[in-house]
This record gives sequence, structure tokens and C-alpha cells, in this order.
Amino acid sequence: LAKTTQPISMDSYEGQEVNITCSHNNIATNDYITWYQQFPSQGPRFIIQGYKTKVTNEVASLFIPADRKSSTLSLPRVSLSDTAVYYCLVVGYGGATNKLIFGTGTLLAVQP
Amino acid sequence: DAGVIQSPRHEVTEMGQEVTLRCKPISGHNSLFWYRQTMMRGLELLIYFNNNVPIDDSGMPEDRFSAKMPNASFSTLKIQPSEPRDSAVYFCASSLGGKGKAYEQYFGPGTRLTVT
Repeated sequence: LAKTTQPISMDSYEGQEVNITCSHNNIATNDYITWYQQFPSQGPRFIIQGYKTKVTNEVASLFIPADRKSSTLSLPRVSLSDTAVYYCLVVGYGGATNKLIFGTGTLLAVQP
Repeated sequence: DAGVIQSPRHEVTEMGQEVTLRCKPISGHNSLFWYRQTMMRGLELLIYFNNNVPIDDSGMPEDRFSAKMPNASFSTLKIQPSEPRDSAVYFCASSLGGKGKAYEQYFGPGTRLTVT
């Protein structure tokens, strides 16, 4: 069963870059690494997904080393509105729903 | 697109009553997921449909829970009879499957269920 481990919480200040690391030692060949963001009283929101090396979009960057046993979500210049819970998942391409485990996530608290 | 639509947004019912939660996925998406979120257990996958067919219902807690997807634009999650421990926020999510799109899910706003 794919399992991810990430810090329970992190603190940051506005304008700083935040890096949240997730370990997934049992990642399989067909698995993608996916990150979601959840604000209170809302459903999770897809942020970014990657398979290897680096992926960047308008919201974040995702760094994945060659062995793929960990990944780092990077949020540039966070603001107060980035305070949320961030979930890391390894998701199987093609039907491995037993890997859709959100875990406890990382509560990011951004302070002024 | 309006995104994933769920109704009702809030439901308060008494123990023993039947509860039906509804979901309209994003048009064109072929996968639909029902989740339950509580403080104690976090976000749990209950059931997953692909092309309207239930693929994995191993997360459904017990026989009191049932889910249907009669067509590509509608799904229901029913609890009968409801119990106080079913109180939670229930999310529906949809995605467009396919290579490279491994479960990029779009979540609805959720239904907050309270069973007294």
C-alpha cells in the first residue's frame, strides 16, 4: 500500500519561499506524484502533478529526484491566502484507487 | 464550466432516517469519486466510478452506504439508516482519466451531514 509521509505543520511569513517535502519510499513505476491544497470548509484543489525531475506551473513547482522516493512542493513568495493544508499523494495511472490516500497533510500557516 | 456540483450543501437529520447526497460531475469527465472527511479519520475514499461503473467500493464503510451513477452526469450516495457516526463532510470529485492524467481530481464544495 503506497504511503506518504509529510510534516504535520509548517510556519512561514509572507513573501518567503516554502518547501514542503514528502517521502514515498514505496512509489511504483507507474505512479505520479500529486499535490492538493485544501482551505477550511472547501474541497481539496489540485495544485500540481509530476513524474520525474521538475514541473512548474503558475502556482507552484514540484521537484522530484531521480529515485522518486521523495518530492518537494515549492511555493514561491507565499501570502496569507496560502494558509491551508497541503496533501501529497502518489497516484497510480490506470486504476490503483487503493493509492488515493490523502493522509494527514501539512498545515501551512503563513503569518504577516 | 460550473465545476462539480453537490447538493444539498448542508443536511441535518435524525438517526435512522435515509439520507441522499447528490453530485453532478464536470461535463466530459469519466471518473467520479466519493470521499468522506472527518477530523478523526481525515479524507477517506469511499467509492470510485469509471464510465458510470463502480470500480472500487472497498472504502464503503458498511451496507448502510450505497452509491449509484445512473448516467455520466449524476451520482448519488445514500445512507440508510443514518447514524450519528456518519456525521462528516462528504465530497464528490471527478476527473478525466487517461495517460498522464492520473487522477487530477476536481472536488465539489461538499455536503456537511449532521446526524442527531
